[in-house]
Amino acid sequence: GESVGLHLPTLSVQEGDNSIINCAYSNSASDYFIWYKQESGKGPQFIIDIRSNMDKRQGQRVTVLLNKTVKHLSLQIAATQPGDSAVYFCAENISNDYKLSFGAGTTVTVRA
Amino acid sequence: DVKVTQSSRYLVKRTGEKVFLECVQDMDHENMFWYRQDPGLGLRLIYFSYDVKMKEKGDIPEGYSVSREKKERFSLILESASTNQTSMYLCASSDTSGEQYFGPGTRLTVT
Repeated sequence: GESVGLHLPTLSVQEGDNSIINCAYSNSASDYFIWYKQESGKGPQFIIDIRSNMDKRQGQRVTVLLNKTVKHLSLQIAATQPGDSAVYFCAENISNDYKLSFGAGTTVTVRA
Repeated sequence: DVKVTQSSRYLVKRTGEKVFLECVQDMDHENMFWYRQDPGLGLRLIYFSYDVKMKEKGDIPEGYSVSREKKERFSLILESASTNQTSMYLCASSDTSGEQYFGPGTRLTVT
């Protein structure tokens, strides 16, 4: 079946560098995408979202890029900090459906 | 702030026991969801509900049931717990925007 997937299960980043987390999706009908951050012992927390009529959206230190041609989603974190260490999930939503389909997650570790 | 609470952070149950996991949200959201989270598998949808007394099966409903008697409360029931149901269980709620708000999770161990 169709699913959301992440390219790499782990990512190690030097503090202060920029992080890029990638996600590939296969459902061309998906029109809404979310990135979540999950810290140890906590539930996932919303970071940023983007709808299919956009290709870029910026938040505080984060940017989401959507390339519908190759069905690719990425999350960029600027000036990565120790508090950014967490598991990051991308999720997609198909039109007119409130369900989200999640990828397996990328564990980001920030090196001091 | 949206708040989703789950009745327990940790639970240990024996095989064959009936298990209730409770979830409450305080934002008057229509939609509520139950997921399980296992290493390497991400979040998998068990059941969801769009309204009171309404439920829909997700991707892995076998061995589970749900109850939504009030808008703010969504319960997950394991009729007869098995060891393969040992997992982290996450509840979420959403409005029509699509963004889901998650509770802290319940780590269930079935022995």
